[in-house]
Amino acid sequence: QKEVEQNSGPLSVPEGAIASLNCTYSDRGSQSFFWYRQYSGKSPELIMSIYSNGDKEDGRFTAQLNKASQYVSLLIRDSQPSDSATYLCAVNIYNFNKFYFGSGTKLNVKP
Amino acid sequence: DTGVSQNPRHKITKRGQNVTFRCDPISEHNRLYWYRQTLGQGPEFLTYFQNEAQLEKSRLLSDRFSAERPKGSFSTLEIQRTEQGDSAMYLCASSYPVGSGNTIYFGEGSWLTVV
Repeated sequence: QKEVEQNSGPLSVPEGAIASLNCTYSDRGSQSFFWYRQYSGKSPELIMSIYSNGDKEDGRFTAQLNKASQYVSLLIRDSQPSDSATYLCAVNIYNFNKFYFGSGTKLNVKP
Repeated sequence: DTGVSQNPRHKITKRGQNVTFRCDPISEHNRLYWYRQTLGQGPEFLTYFQNEAQLEKSRLLSDRFSAERPKGSFSTLEIQRTEQGDSAMYLCASSYPVGSGNTIYFGEGSWLTVV
């Protein structure tokens, strides 16, 4: 079992809609959770981090964490074509030394 | 620009040759990571430094791979006797522990193509 699982997509949403991206992780010792955005041919760019159960909002982005269910999600409100990218979920397990990444979900926002 | 800097950005090499990549982390970041990413996959952990000490290496890192971080500043990743399977983007990231979290920031990556 991989440490971090994501649906590869592609997830297609119309412009202006809410995009919902999901991620599950296997290690209950995971303490820190991150969402990165990666445009084709570019390196990952940090969008948000979340450490506690519940929601964390930053502009159009909301990260949700449920440690009991070992589930992390990212909501993107008012999706724009410029949001079209691959979104990577990452977790930092208790030893703080490694970050495990999912394979990413490709998001397409159609004008 | 005070972000993580990597060079060269692109490298094409013949199979069997050696290549070296350099990473300059964000200043004052004491932790430095190397990851490898292939098409359609997420970044895979290769190795990690805290200051000049290499604290962890992945099983993915064969004997042909070596990383150094002299003086705890920049780092180099050398691949000896390259193979076609080494073709990937090599990502460097750095971090400084902040509170209960430990956020890593990536450089722009170094693309390696082995022909």
